[in-house]
Amino acid sequence: AQSVTQLDSQVPVFEEAPVELRCNYSSSVSVYLFWYVQYPNQGLQLLLKYLSGSTLVKSINGFEAEFNKSQTSFHLRKPSVHISDTAEYFCAVMDTGRRALTFGSGTRLQVQP
Amino acid sequence: DTAVSQTPKYLVTQMGNDKSIKCEQNLGHDTMYWYKQDSKKFLKIMFSYNNKELIINETVPNRFSPKSPDKAHLNLHINSLELGDSAVYFCASSRSGQVTEAFFGQGTRLTVV
Repeated sequence: AQSVTQLDSQVPVFEEAPVELRCNYSSSVSVYLFWYVQYPNQGLQLLLKYLSGSTLVKSINGFEAEFNKSQTSFHLRKPSVHISDTAEYFCAVMDTGRRALTFGSGTRLQVQP
Repeated sequence: DTAVSQTPKYLVTQMGNDKSIKCEQNLGHDTMYWYKQDSKKFLKIMFSYNNKELIINETVPNRFSPKSPDKAHLNLHINSLELGDSAVYFCASSRSGQVTEAFFGQGTRLTVV
């Protein structure tokens, strides 16, 4: 079984400041890692994913995450946030066999002007 | 050109009623899922189907019965609704074989009164 821990339930940050949303996971098998974003009253959209290869993955809107196997982490970062980044961010893992996502509890990113 | 669509988007009903939520995907995927998001935003897998076969059935009350008439549809029927069933239910789909991300619908907000 896997589990995902997002230690920060809320992260307030000023516009144009950098941000890091933390994600740690535990699993007895190899996993794939995802970050999903949920804007208010909307469904989940994939932000980025790590399946294999380079441990640093990037999204088209400036977010990046780094897979760290030794620390079992997949933290999400952005060097300069915008008001429009305000949303709930979910870290998730999928094991190689089960193919269902196990989600963390989410982190609400609140970008203030 | 909606990828994963759910109906209805909002559902308010009384305790004891039976209701259904429909989901359709036009992505050509062969695996579909139902996830439940509770009032604290926590997301958990309920069911998954692959080619109309039940693959994952988490600890969900028997009052919940998924039905997949074909690969593109996965409906969720709930009998004898209870207050605790109030949540947002998300349908998702993915392609089996090569690991890839799941695509989510917009969600159905179920309120049991």
